[in-house]
Amino acid sequence: ETGVTQTPRHLVMGMTNKKSLKCEQHLGHNAMYWYKQSAKKPLELMFVYNFKEQTENNSVPSRFSPECPNSSHLFLHLHTLQPEDSALYLCASSQDPIGGLETQYFGPGTRLLVL
Amino acid sequence: GQNIDQPTEMTATEGAIVQINCTYQTSGFNGLFWYQQHAGEAPTFLSYNVLDGLEEKGRFSSFLSRSKGYSYLLLKELQMKDSASYLCAVRQDSNYQLIWGAGTKLIIKP
Repeated sequence: ETGVTQTPRHLVMGMTNKKSLKCEQHLGHNAMYWYKQSAKKPLELMFVYNFKEQTENNSVPSRFSPECPNSSHLFLHLHTLQPEDSALYLCASSQDPIGGLETQYFGPGTRLLVL
Repeated sequence: GQNIDQPTEMTATEGAIVQINCTYQTSGFNGLFWYQQHAGEAPTFLSYNVLDGLEEKGRFSSFLSRSKGYSYLLLKELQMKDSASYLCAVRQDSNYQLIWGAGTKLIIKP
């Protein structure tokens, strides 16, 4: 496996379900990100982890709970979601968010539908 | 406030040239990125500008004017595979995070 992988690619869940999204990066990067992408809207940054420590939480509702056990893996735990949470959830990684050129590498995303 | 504007959709002809504009108003600036995103796929990095001027990379070029809060992505010799969304993003100098535009969907016609 190379780059950034995400599973599952598609997910349908009810509002009372609990599910988790998984992201894994094989690039040796130190920072990982969760983004939400809704149709015709800008990418919304949700969480940032740098060296396994959460450095950004952009006022995301508590029904989204991130977990970063190590620099290569990132999870997004979902609980009691709302239909408006239906979107494409993208994971990204980067080498060093502070220094120099900062290119983020994205996974293919998880297409989430909340019924 | 923070704001990045791009046209929602553009159409161009195969073999032609197209320019996608991006204007931004942000509280800080530490570089501007362009990404390409094909439908159903991950965004992929195209270019980065931090100084004024033109950066050329093959068929793609990106221009930046910091004083005008303006950038454009120029695509030459358009190919059908260039049909995609093009995302403009500005890196903030406060926390180094990216602020994204909504993207420009480019449709290439034969």
